[in-house]
Amino acid sequence: ETGVTQSPTHLIKTRGQQVTLRCSSQSGHNTVSWYQQALGQGPQFIFQYYREEENGRGNFPPRFSGLQFPNYSSELNVNALELDDSALYLCASSLAGGRQETQYFGPGTRLLVL
Amino acid sequence: GEDVEQSLFLSVREGDSSVINCTYTDSSSTYLYWYKQEPGAGLQLLTYIFSNMDMKQDQRLTVLLNKKDKHLSLRIADTQTGDSAIYFCAESFGGSQGNLIFGKGTKLSVKP
Repeated sequence: ETGVTQSPTHLIKTRGQQVTLRCSSQSGHNTVSWYQQALGQGPQFIFQYYREEENGRGNFPPRFSGLQFPNYSSELNVNALELDDSALYLCASSLAGGRQETQYFGPGTRLLVL
Repeated sequence: GEDVEQSLFLSVREGDSSVINCTYTDSSSTYLYWYKQEPGAGLQLLTYIFSNMDMKQDQRLTVLLNKKDKHLSLRIADTQTGDSAIYFCAESFGGSQGNLIFGKGTKLSVKP
């Protein structure tokens, strides 16, 4: 069974740029959720994708967008980067429709915005 | 609004028991979770408890849930130096599995 993988592991961008982060879900999972974890904080829910559609969104502006592909992998796109976007971005996969939809997390992508 | 609160630090001696506490606000949460995060790493699921249970035991881990007081605890028996990490409590907001609400995490330090 393959776990959740994310790429890249680290990324440095400058303010105003755009970034794309990628996530491959655990085999057998059909749902991907994205979280932002600022330094010293708990993860905050950005959004979730199920069947290639956004299925719930947290308190993040529209410049945070995403995609899910037919193989259930996912991308997180952030436009017009701001300094406060510097954080660890975590992807979690789960199986929707099951009795218990536990989310399994990847190792994260650490983004630094200068 | 929804909120999950945890104490920020806990220090114990190797071999002792550790108890990490958490309070949550959403009474409709179906499941409550404990995740572990080691430095520079993602989140590792430790255990979870269904909201109609009072207790769940899994090897060295015991989870206690007091639904009336919205209080959750994680007890680690025979704590080892490898247990040093940040522990996050999370609730599934609004009964949905999609949106996990996390606390700020409790940093557990285990002294030899």
